[in-house]
Amino acid sequence: QAQLVQSGAEVKKPGASMKVSCEASDYFFTSHGVSWVRQAPGQGLEWMGWISSYNGHTAYAQKFKGRVSLTTDTVTNVAYLEVRNLRSDDTAVYYCASLDFDYWGQGTLVNVSS
Amino acid sequence: QSVLTQPPSVSAAPGQKVTISCSGNSFNIENNYVSWFQQFPGTAPKLLIYANDKRPSGIPDRFSASKSGTSATLDITGLQTGDEADYYCGTWDSSLSSYVFGSGAKVTVL
Repeated sequence: QAQLVQSGAEVKKPGASMKVSCEASDYFFTSHGVSWVRQAPGQGLEWMGWISSYNGHTAYAQKFKGRVSLTTDTVTNVAYLEVRNLRSDDTAVYYCASLDFDYWGQGTLVNVSS
Repeated sequence: QSVLTQPPSVSAAPGQKVTISCSGNSFNIENNYVSWFQQFPGTAPKLLIYANDKRPSGIPDRFSASKSGTSATLDITGLQTGDEADYYCGTWDSSLSSYVFGSGAKVTVL
């Protein structure tokens, strides 16, 4: 059974950067990719992008291009989401999930506040 | 503004059936697989349905889904109080080159 474990909650200042990690257990990384989804307080789900752990190919939602980077470390089976130049409206719970969304991390709350 | 339109809320009495609609267009629902997700407050979403109408292992057959043209529907039969949650549809959008989610529908058991 694949399991995704994310890093803990963060508080950031506007303009700073954040980096959330997502550790996969088992064989996950050799045969799957990772999706990233966020959810602002009281709002719906928003897809940010995904990365293939096989070849590192990425796809990003248009609104995040240039400000978000997705990477993976296939040695440690960890995926990373980096968001730069944070704004208050980036305050959200960030989830990693398998490429087909059948497995999800527990979520990481990032609060952007001055 | 979500690309996929869902009713904000649906409700029914225990044991009854609810249907949640998800409306899109030819760039998303009509030509791509639809998934459905269940989310309880404070928890991660859970995959309920994939590839339009397939249930992952462990999902009760009370949950079923279908797709026709530019719309998809999720049915929950034999409604239980434990089904109270938010439900989202999702699919790939070829014009946006993005995965898109519906706005979410809250199910209330009366």
